[in-house]
Amino acid sequence: RKEVEQDPGPFNVPEGATVAFNCTYSNSASQSFFWYRQDCRKEPKLLMSVYSSGNEDGRFTAQLNRASQYISLLIRDSKLSDSATYLCVVRLPGGYQKVTFGIGTKLQVIP
Amino acid sequence: DAGVTQSPTHLIKTRGQQVTLRCSPKSGHDTVSWYQQALGQGPQFIFQYYEEEERQRGNFPDRFSGHQFPNYSSELNVNALLLGDSALYLCASSLRLAVYEQYFGPGTRLTVT
Repeated sequence: RKEVEQDPGPFNVPEGATVAFNCTYSNSASQSFFWYRQDCRKEPKLLMSVYSSGNEDGRFTAQLNRASQYISLLIRDSKLSDSATYLCVVRLPGGYQKVTFGIGTKLQVIP
Repeated sequence: DAGVTQSPTHLIKTRGQQVTLRCSPKSGHDTVSWYQQALGQGPQFIFQYYEEEERQRGNFPDRFSGHQFPNYSSELNVNALLLGDSALYLCASSLRLAVYEQYFGPGTRLTVT
């Protein structure tokens, strides 16, 4: 089983729609979780960290479910500019500063 | 405030050759991590440098080596290139080994023919 698994998509959604992605992780002791955004042929950029209680940043909401070992990203009122690949990132336990990236979920927002 | 810079932008090499990629971290950062991103995949962690030492390493062979200089810049060296080494090589910088706020450079696209 992969350490971090994501549905690669693509998710094609109309402008204004709400879309949600899930990401599952295999190591129950994983400590920190993040969502990164990567535009085509560009570098990844941190979108948001994921906190145990869930967190929101404008139209974006991230949640963590430790019991089922997944994190989620919800995007409300999708914009054309949200089209990108969304990478799930997990920090491993044991004091390591190494992180593992998922394959990414591609989102295409359609006019 | 200069962000993370990488050079060169693109590189074409032949199998068996050696390559050196360079990275300058974001101003104020002292930790550099290197990642390999194959087409259609997420970035894979290669190694991390802090205080001029390799601190963590991913599942990459010894053909991949690195160095960090006193000014915190870093090099990634790959020997005996294979076709499978073709990828985007990303450098990320952070402060004091932290990975919760990494800033990535634009990457070096390596093609091995």
